[in-house]
Amino acid sequence: QKEVEQNSGPLSVPEGAIASLNCTYSDRGSQSFFWYRQYSGKSPELIMSIYSNGDKEDGRFTAQLNKASQYVSLLIRDSQPSDSATYLCATGENTGFQKLVFGTGTRLLVSP
Amino acid sequence: EAGVAQSPRYKIIEKRQSVAFWCNPISGHATLYWYQQILGQGPKLLIQFQNNGVVDDSQLPKDRFSAERLKGVDSTLKIQPAKLEDSAVYLCASSPSNGPPSSFGPGTRLTVT
Repeated sequence: QKEVEQNSGPLSVPEGAIASLNCTYSDRGSQSFFWYRQYSGKSPELIMSIYSNGDKEDGRFTAQLNKASQYVSLLIRDSQPSDSATYLCATGENTGFQKLVFGTGTRLLVSP
Repeated sequence: EAGVAQSPRYKIIEKRQSVAFWCNPISGHATLYWYQQILGQGPKLLIQFQNNGVVDDSQLPKDRFSAERLKGVDSTLKIQPAKLEDSAVYLCASSPSNGPPSSFGPGTRLTVT
């Protein structure tokens, strides 16, 4: 059973701080990793993807991947109240078609 | 660009009844996904289409769930008969290639009583 584990939170950070969201996965065959943001009552939206070990930056977001430790994280710099949402980690196999396994998500609360 | 459309947005049915959901993906998106998201959980893939062919339906409860994608565009997901544990949000998503779902629809919230 392939699993993606996340702390459900909530993770509370003050406005302007760095939020660090973490995810571990069980399947060593995972080759692709994604972060989705889901606002309460809304659908997920894809915000980051990462395929290689190391860091990938996109604006205020940085995804970090360590395949040896089976660990992926998302850093949000200069957190804003509008970043308050649930962040879903998902892993996939690059077998031609992406079959993603989602974690249960971490709820982030950014206070003004 | 118009987003992924889904209908209905909400549905309440009694157990053992049947229900159908409709999805219209973003124009030109070859890959279409149906996910089930139970409250407090991450989305679970039910079925994935590439054009009008099924790529993965390993987690689809085939004794009660069925899905089709006619002409590689619209898709319908049906549940017959529904059980209480089917209460969830059913999300349709699409992507232009074999990549991850890049656009989700608003979802259909199903309540089975």
